[in-house]
Amino acid sequence: EVQLLESGGGLVQPGGSLRLSCAASRFTFSNYAMSWVRQAPGKGLEWVSTISVDGGTTWYADSVKGRFTISRDNSKNTLYMQMNSLRAEDTAVYYCGRSGQFDYWGQGTLVTVSS
Amino acid sequence: DVVMTQSPLSLPVTVGQPASISCRSSRGLVFSDGDTYLNWFQQRPGQSPRRLIYKVSNRDSGVPDRFSGSGSGTDFTLKISRVEAEDVGVYYCMQGAHWPRTFGQGTKVEIK
Repeated sequence: EVQLLESGGGLVQPGGSLRLSCAASRFTFSNYAMSWVRQAPGKGLEWVSTISVDGGTTWYADSVKGRFTISRDNSKNTLYMQMNSLRAEDTAVYYCGRSGQFDYWGQGTLVTVSS
Repeated sequence: DVVMTQSPLSLPVTVGQPASISCRSSRGLVFSDGDTYLNWFQQRPGQSPRRLIYKVSNRDSGVPDRFSGSGSGTDFTLKISRVEAEDVGVYYCMQGAHWPRTFGQGTKVEIK
């Protein structure tokens, strides 16, 4: 069974930075686009970003463009999200998902932006 | 952006009875490959989302056959033929044809 394991969440002050990781296993990571989706407390799902199989193409939601950077290391089967200039409204559980159609999801990692 | 509108937002159902959720998109979801990229997800309380249906009507592996998807153009439906207690949760539609990807607001299914 496909496994996706997020890490790197935590409490950060407004304006701060965090880097999330998503370790993938039990499938050929380099064959799939990968994505991040977030869910603010008590709210719905919001797509954040997607990266192509080779990392050459990326897409971002307007709400994070210029602040977040998605990347991947196919040799390590790992997806990343560098989050800078964090705001209170970025507080959410961040999920990584396989492909741009989200056929598999991780368990999520909570990011809390607060002073 | 493509707006995805679900109805109802709350759906109380009796175990054993059918349930239906509607999803409308603000524009068509046919991709350049000819397929229609409309997916349905289930999120049980305290769990990660799980994809149930992809490309309108295809069930993912392990999804019970009481779940079915249908529709075309801009109107889509998720049906549960006979609701079971384990079906409680929030259901989301999502379009995968255009950037940015967008989700519906979610429909909360609860047992009466």
